[in-house]
Amino acid sequence: AQSVTQLGSHVSVSEGALVLLRCNYSSSVPPYLFWYVQYPNQGLQLLLKYTSAATLVKGINGFEAEFKKSETSFHLTKPSAHMSDAAEYFCAVSERRGSTLGRLYFGRGTQLTVWP
Amino acid sequence: DAGVIQSPRHEVTEMGQEVTLRCKPISGHDYLFWYRQTMMRGLELLIYFNNNVPIDDSGMPEDRFSAKMPNASFSTLKIQPSEPRDSAVYFCASSLSAGNTEAFFGQGTRLTVV
Repeated sequence: AQSVTQLGSHVSVSEGALVLLRCNYSSSVPPYLFWYVQYPNQGLQLLLKYTSAATLVKGINGFEAEFKKSETSFHLTKPSAHMSDAAEYFCAVSERRGSTLGRLYFGRGTQLTVWP
Repeated sequence: DAGVIQSPRHEVTEMGQEVTLRCKPISGHDYLFWYRQTMMRGLELLIYFNNNVPIDDSGMPEDRFSAKMPNASFSTLKIQPSEPRDSAVYFCASSLSAGNTEAFFGQGTRLTVV
């Protein structure tokens, strides 16, 4: 089974600063990769996904993520944080084949706080 | 499409009572997932269906939990009897097949068992 590790359960940045949220996966075969965002009292929304096209993926709200096979990583970045980015962010993977095709494996989440 | 629809949004019940959570997935989606979210355990997959058939229910915590998907447009998660430790937010999500498509989440049901 896949495992997803998000380093840092809480990240705090100042408004305008770089946002970096880390995600590593365990599979030796690169899976499909996703970042979701959850605002308070809401469900999860897709930010971006990697499905084997360009390794640098751009998503909504100015976020992007880079797939690095050698590092088994898919870190999420945003050049300049905004107060509205404060939320919880989840990294997820989905296997490309096998009996668990279609299943998403989620990390524990990273709570992003943005200070004015 | 209105997205994944869950009902109720909030449920408060007494310990020992039966609770039924409902989900309507996005039309045409092959997969349906039930998740539970708590502060302690984060987001846990309880069970998922493919074409209305349960594929993996290993995340269902106990026999008190059961899930059904009688047709492609409806699923239920039932807890009987409910206990205070079942208090959580329960999410339903659906997706198309093939794995490279994202799951769409409902707004969740906040369950409180007193």
